[in-house]
Amino acid sequence: NAGVTQTPKFQVLKTGQSMTLQCAQDMNHEYMSWYRQDPGMGLRLIHYSVGAGITDQGEVPNGYNVSRSTTEDFPLRLLSAAPSQTSVYFCASSLWTGGRAFFGQGTRLTVV
Amino acid sequence: AQKITQTQPGMFVQEKEAVTLDCTYDTSDPSYGLFWYKQPSSGEMIFLIYQGSYDQQNATEGRYSLNFQKARKSANLVISASQLGDSAMYFCAMRGLTTGSARQLTFGSGTQLTVLP
Repeated sequence: NAGVTQTPKFQVLKTGQSMTLQCAQDMNHEYMSWYRQDPGMGLRLIHYSVGAGITDQGEVPNGYNVSRSTTEDFPLRLLSAAPSQTSVYFCASSLWTGGRAFFGQGTRLTVV
Repeated sequence: AQKITQTQPGMFVQEKEAVTLDCTYDTSDPSYGLFWYKQPSSGEMIFLIYQGSYDQQNATEGRYSLNFQKARKSANLVISASQLGDSAMYFCAMRGLTTGSARQLTFGSGTQLTVLP
C-alpha cells in the first residue's frame, strides 16, 4: 500500500544543474500536483495535472517543467537549478479535484 | 482567487487541555472544501479533517473537530485533550469544488503548536 512515492528524499545540486524529482501514485488518482514549502510561507502550488496528458501552471511555475504521460507518474523537472529553488518539494494526489490530497514524503532540495 | 489566513504563528497548550487553531478563508467559489493537515518535525503531511461548505454539521474525527462558521468564513481546528505527540505545524487549506474553478489546494502559512508537559 505505497500511496504517493517521491524520490529522492534529499538532493544537493549545483547552480545550473538540471534534475528530475520523481512522483508516483498507485491509487489511480486523476489529480496530481507539486508544491514547494518554504519557511513561513506554507505550501505553494508549482504545477498540477487533472489527468494524463493535461498539465497546468500553479502559483510559482517559473523554472519548473512537468509532464503527465501516465496516470501514475508526475515528474517535476528543474531546468537550471538556482539557489532560490532551495526548498522542500511535495507531490500530492487526489481521487478527484475536490478530494482529500495524499502527500508524498517530500524531497529536501538544496541548490548551492 | 482563494486565500487562507492563519494568524497564529505559534501556540502553546498544556497537556490534556483543549486548543483552538484559527483559520479564516476567502473564496469566490460557491462550493468548496476545507482541510486541516498536520506536519510533525519528521516532515510528512498528515490529513486530519475535512469540511465541505455544503455540510450542515461540523466535521469531527476523534479528538479533532472543525468549528465551521460559514458566514464568518472561518474554519477553526479544535484539538481536545492535547497530547505531547500533537506538537507539530498545522496547516489549514481549501479548494474550490465548482465546475470550472481552479481546483488547486491553497494553504495557509501554518501554526506551530507546542504541547507542554
